[in-house]
Amino acid sequence: AQSVTQLDSHVSVSEGTPVLLRCNYSSSYSPSLFWYVQHPNKGLQLLLKYTSAATLVKGINGFEAEFKKSETSFHLTKPSAHMSDAAEYFCVVSDLDSGAGSYQLTFGKGTKLSVIP
Amino acid sequence: DAEITQSPRHKITETGRQVTLACHQTWNHNNMFWYRQDLGHGLRLIHYSYGVHDTNKGEVSDGYSVSRSNTEDLPLTLESAASSQTSVYFCASSERLSAGGTGELFFGEGSRLTVL
Repeated sequence: AQSVTQLDSHVSVSEGTPVLLRCNYSSSYSPSLFWYVQHPNKGLQLLLKYTSAATLVKGINGFEAEFKKSETSFHLTKPSAHMSDAAEYFCVVSDLDSGAGSYQLTFGKGTKLSVIP
Repeated sequence: DAEITQSPRHKITETGRQVTLACHQTWNHNNMFWYRQDLGHGLRLIHYSYGVHDTNKGEVSDGYSVSRSNTEDLPLTLESAASSQTSVYFCASSERLSAGGTGELFFGEGSRLTVL
């Protein structure tokens, strides 16, 4: 069975400082991993995805994440926070279940990012 | 541009009433999903469908039903609304595995349901 743990429910940073949102996962297969962002009263939007190509993945709005298999981590980073980054972020693991011919998605519980002016 | 739309965006209803939330996607995706989002629980899967006439229960399916009569639509029905079903509901779709899908989801804007 797969699982996702977002290690911080709330992260607060000052504008212009780096952002680190942590995500650990467990998976029985070769997973795809995603980060989604949700702004208030909006749906979830894909930030970036890892699908077994390059381990360092670049996404929208200056975000990137590194897949580290040995640490089972997929942490999200950004060099310099902007006020518009204030939102909730979700880490998602997608396992290809070849036996079922489908994939199973598991969401983390989310990390709320606050950006202080 | 392809999109996924939900309606209504906001609804207030009374306990015991039947409620249907609509979801329509123009991505031509075979896979469609309904999630609910509650504080402290993240997103939880209610029902999902891998194609026309296919429906499956998720982890929190009690009190909900779906039907899939075409590719574009997956309406979610609350047979007899309960206060515990007050939540924000999200519909999503994705490409099927056999067509190169990776699990990436495309979300609607959400439907906020209040059951009094």
